Amino acid sequence: DVKVTQSSRYLVKRTGEKVFLECVQDMDHENMFWYRQDPGLGLRLIYFSYDVKMKEKGDIPEGYSVSREKKERFSLILESASTNQTSMYLCASSLAGGVTGGNSPLHFGNGTRLTVT
Amino acid sequence: AQKITQTQPGMFVQEKEAVTLDCTYDTSDQSYGLFWYKQPSSGEMIFLIYQGSYDEQNATEGRYSLNFQKARKSANLVISASQLGDSAMYFCAMRERATGGFKTIFGAGTRLFVKA
Repeated sequence: DVKVTQSSRYLVKRTGEKVFLECVQDMDHENMFWYRQDPGLGLRLIYFSYDVKMKEKGDIPEGYSVSREKKERFSLILESASTNQTSMYLCASSLAGGVTGGNSPLHFGNGTRLTVT
Repeated sequence: AQKITQTQPGMFVQEKEAVTLDCTYDTSDQSYGLFWYKQPSSGEMIFLIYQGSYDEQNATEGRYSLNFQKARKSANLVISASQLGDSAMYFCAMRERATGGFKTIFGAGTRLFVKA
C-alpha cells in the first residue's frame, strides 16, 4: 500500500520564519504535489513535480518554493512565513502516464496544519 | 477562473436514499481525467472513482457512479443507498495537461450529511 508521510501533523511558526514542510512517498511515484486546503476553497495546487529536480508552479505559488532532490522526497518551503499562509497543507503523489494522465489517483499524506502567528 | 465548480456547499440526504453531487469543469483539452475524492472528518483523502475523457461508459465503483456528460462538461457523482458513514466532504477533481506532465485541480467541495 502506498504511503505518503508528512513530517509534522501540527506546526506553529512565527511571522518571518523560514518553514520547511517535508513529504516522503515510498512507492516510486514520479509525480508529487503540494496543496493547501482552506474552508470554502477546496484544495489549491501550490507546486508539483514530475521528476527529480523538476518543478512546476501550480495555481498559487507566490510565497512558496519547493525542492525535489530525490524521487521520494518533495519539500515545500515558506521563505518568510506570513499569517495568510496559516492553512492545512497536503502532499500527494501519483504514477504518471497515459493519454489522459492515467487513472492513477492521488495518494495523500495526513496533512500538516500550519499556524503562523 | 474556476475550472472545477461544485455548486452545492452542503447537501442532506436520508439514509438509504440516493444522492447526486454536482460537478462541472472547464477545459479546452481533449485529454483529461476526472476524479472524486471523499474526505471524512478524520481528514484523510479517499479516492472514490475515475472517468477518463475518452471513456464512453460511465464509471461505476460499488455504490458510486459517475454521470459523465462530456458535451455539458459535467461529472456528477451519484451515491446509491446512502449510509451514515457517507457523511463527509466530497471533492471533484480534474487531471489536465500541464507543462511537463499532468496536474490535478480540485473544486471547493460539497459537504454531505446523511440523516438516520
